[in-house]
Amino acid sequence: ETGVTQTPRHLVMGMTNKKSLKCEQHLGHNAMYWYKQSAKKPLELMFVYNFKEQTENNSVPSRFSPECPNSSHLFLHLHTLQPEDSALYLCASSPINQGPETQYFGPGTRLLVL
Amino acid sequence: DAKTTQPPSMDCAEGRAANLPCNHSTISGNEYVYWYRQIHSQGPQYIIHGLKNNETNEMASLIITEDRKSSTLILPHATLRDTAVYYCIVETGTASKLTFGTGTRLQVTL
Repeated sequence: ETGVTQTPRHLVMGMTNKKSLKCEQHLGHNAMYWYKQSAKKPLELMFVYNFKEQTENNSVPSRFSPECPNSSHLFLHLHTLQPEDSALYLCASSPINQGPETQYFGPGTRLLVL
Repeated sequence: DAKTTQPPSMDCAEGRAANLPCNHSTISGNEYVYWYRQIHSQGPQYIIHGLKNNETNEMASLIITEDRKSSTLILPHATLRDTAVYYCIVETGTASKLTFGTGTRLQVTL
């Protein structure tokens, strides 16, 4: 248990559906992240939020829409996805310090797009 | 270009020390060496990090060469539960993002 929870753990959706992934951290951190891990590929950073403000968008298609209402919650809204978007979506959080930062990851949401 | 180079896979017998190498020959003076691992279908887990000195915690030891161009993660007594992909990452201390490569797949066997 890392203090970062993600729901749902598994999701199957059609290409015309709209769904949302939720991440919550109970660690008092001020930075939150979305990563994508496709089969047999390294983790790819998607978005970074610091103090609820988006500080990084790693050229992610607009069919992925993040939302960070407060420092403890992070959402990823999904619409009109493609089958190649099937992957493990991981959320992470970290403190914002002057020194080295450790990221704490949630268990991930395994997404299948049909 | 990747900042780190790791062997794709390694085997280790249970109870023995697992020594995972990482080359980072272009590391800058303000960059730390981080190690994470990912057990199958779970989120990555932080293990340890270091700048210049060797470090040890309850999970592992990190040995960094004097020129800082390579490091070794040591799991002193590997167990089956240590079977995972281990990632060596080089980033500045204030960086808010980690760049994961393909890592080393460690298989611990009986």
